[in-house]
Amino acid sequence: SYELTQPSSVSVSPGQTARITCSGDVVAKKYGRWFQQKPGQAPVLVIYKDSERPSGIPERFSGSRSGTTVTLTISGAQVEDEADYYCYSAADNNLLFGGGTKLTVL
Amino acid sequence: EVQLVESGGGLVKPGGSLRLSCAASGFTFSPYIMNWVRQAPGKGLEWVSSITSGSTYMYYADSVKGRFTISRDNAKNSLYLQMNSLRAEDTGIYYCATEGCDYWGQGTLVAVSS
Repeated sequence: SYELTQPSSVSVSPGQTARITCSGDVVAKKYGRWFQQKPGQAPVLVIYKDSERPSGIPERFSGSRSGTTVTLTISGAQVEDEADYYCYSAADNNLLFGGGTKLTVL
Repeated sequence: EVQLVESGGGLVKPGGSLRLSCAASGFTFSPYIMNWVRQAPGKGLEWVSSITSGSTYMYYADSVKGRFTISRDNAKNSLYLQMNSLRAEDTGIYYCATEGCDYWGQGTLVAVSS
């Protein structure tokens, strides 16, 4: 079965660049998405089609792909970006989420 | 504005049943695949089930196959999840989400405990 692997945590200081990776064989076949989830809230889509940003998502959020890894980059991370981030892909009529990465900005 | 409002969660004993509902508004519901995703307390997101636009195909995670049934009523812009033979490990917040999980509801809490 497919898996998506993310680091459990990433920590940066405000203004620094945060990078969160997501690896898995399915990434090579399907577009990746990224979701942000703050405590007590539903997830919010921040990146789709590997690198597209929905309206209303700040420009500091970007995405990229290389082989079987997709990366979420937050350039100039803000304190309000502190959240859990999940990558996602579709595989064989199933939806697949990574295990999640807790981003700390302090 | 897209709105998804889940309901039907609650406390149930192991082996019991619940039916979750999701009322959709702000977009044309019928053409799109719809999904249920859950999150156990303190854990990550787990896909549960998906249903195609005309209810032709339903897909389930192995963890719920044979116990949960997804359905929809396009005339009522509503999505459902019938959950039977509930287990403690089914405890969590259940979210309704649109195709590709572009939009999510706020979730409904299901607690399975004796």
